Amino acid sequence: AQTVTQSQPEMSVQEAETVTLSCTYDTSESNYYLFWYKQPPSRQMILVIRQEAYKQQNATENRFSVNFQKAAKSFSLKISDSQLGDTAMYFCAFMEYGNKLVFGAGTILRVKS
Amino acid sequence: GAVVSQHPSRVICKSGTSVKIECRSLDFQATTMFWYRQFPKKSLMLMATSNEGSKATYEQGVEKDKFLINHASLTLSTLTVTSAHPEDSSFYICSARDLRSDKNIQYFGAGTRLSVL
Repeated sequence: AQTVTQSQPEMSVQEAETVTLSCTYDTSESNYYLFWYKQPPSRQMILVIRQEAYKQQNATENRFSVNFQKAAKSFSLKISDSQLGDTAMYFCAFMEYGNKLVFGAGTILRVKS
Repeated sequence: GAVVSQHPSRVICKSGTSVKIECRSLDFQATTMFWYRQFPKKSLMLMATSNEGSKATYEQGVEKDKFLINHASLTLSTLTVTSAHPEDSSFYICSARDLRSDKNIQYFGAGTRLSVL
């Protein structure tokens, strides 16, 4: 079974600074998808970024980028120029093609002014 | 992006009553929807996969007679918590996958907070 590990239960960062959230996963599959979802205090799950395993290029979405290391099964999220609105719980998630999402335990990120 | 509406956002009920939660994909069709349960500051726990026109697939340990799922159309899935008890109090979230896209993205509803007295 696939597993997703987020080893940082909580993190904090100063506004405008950069922070990296770590995620590792375990799978025997070669084709899959990886996601980072954000859950702010409203508890609405919001997709932050998505990566296809067959693409070597790291995905980027504005201030959010990932470092995808397929051989190491690592998928970290970098948030640049952190903003107060980035305060949320962040979940790393794995999906085999056409299958269900497997979530990590989550990392609570607090952005301080 | 695709929008998933979940209703109600908050429900308080007496022990022994049943509660129905609706999950609708507003601007896309979804043959598959998912139901999750989340405890405070914890991850999402998949309860079941809802398939349009067929029986839901429940995860191990989830009582199918307690959590009834109906997916009668391509835009609506419902979760009914039957004979609710205080231990069923939780945050329930649904998601749906957009058939039009090959990106395999799940879009989430805003969740339902259930409190059983």
